[in-house]
Amino acid sequence: DTGVSQNPRHKITKRGQNVTFRCDPISEHNRLYWYRQTLGQGPEFLTYFQNEAQLEKSRLLSDRFSAERPKGSFSTLEIQRTEQGDSAMYLCASSAAGQPQHFGDGTRLSIL
Amino acid sequence: AQSVSQHNHHVILSEAASLELGCNYSYGGTVNLFWYVQYPGQHLQLLLKYFSGDPLVKGIKGFEAEFIKSKFSFNLRKPSVQWSDTAEYFCAVISNNAGNMLTFGGGTRLMVKP
Repeated sequence: DTGVSQNPRHKITKRGQNVTFRCDPISEHNRLYWYRQTLGQGPEFLTYFQNEAQLEKSRLLSDRFSAERPKGSFSTLEIQRTEQGDSAMYLCASSAAGQPQHFGDGTRLSIL
Repeated sequence: AQSVSQHNHHVILSEAASLELGCNYSYGGTVNLFWYVQYPGQHLQLLLKYFSGDPLVKGIKGFEAEFIKSKFSFNLRKPSVQWSDTAEYFCAVISNNAGNMLTFGGGTRLMVKP
């Protein structure tokens, strides 16, 4: 399967802990996106990378959130000092320039 | 800021019924429009897209959508639904001055009764 891959699929953690998610995009895609989706809502944009450069960040991305794409391939999203409100599905997508975004299965985060 | 509205949150249809899901967006500039579908337990998949040209676009699985610029709408249609169309449908927009972010509507959950 050559789609977007996200790990882990599920993460359960206690409030206050740090978590990190990984996204492996489709190999020929230089653009990578992170979204967050809560129950009953559509996905909301968090951040966007073109190659290794983080070019856009949403106001939703508080200072507890950080994303990296160090070599322009896979990306990580870290949430520090997790809060109840961080519980959501975190989606990664990738695309080539001017093409539609392809989504992964997501990582479901549950904060106890 | 751009926004997308999907008017129907839940739709229940019988097989062979016709489907139309509404989508309106707020931005008045140049837009690219998408419909994504999420089948139970699966990831978001692209159904169809509009970038330019013919405002009536055809996608996979017999779906089509019509871009009406004057109404800021991009409604999704299918003449005859099947049980396998049961899924959640999301309309999304990228506008030319909002970078590369997709703005999604809240989704419409479709249930097709066999």
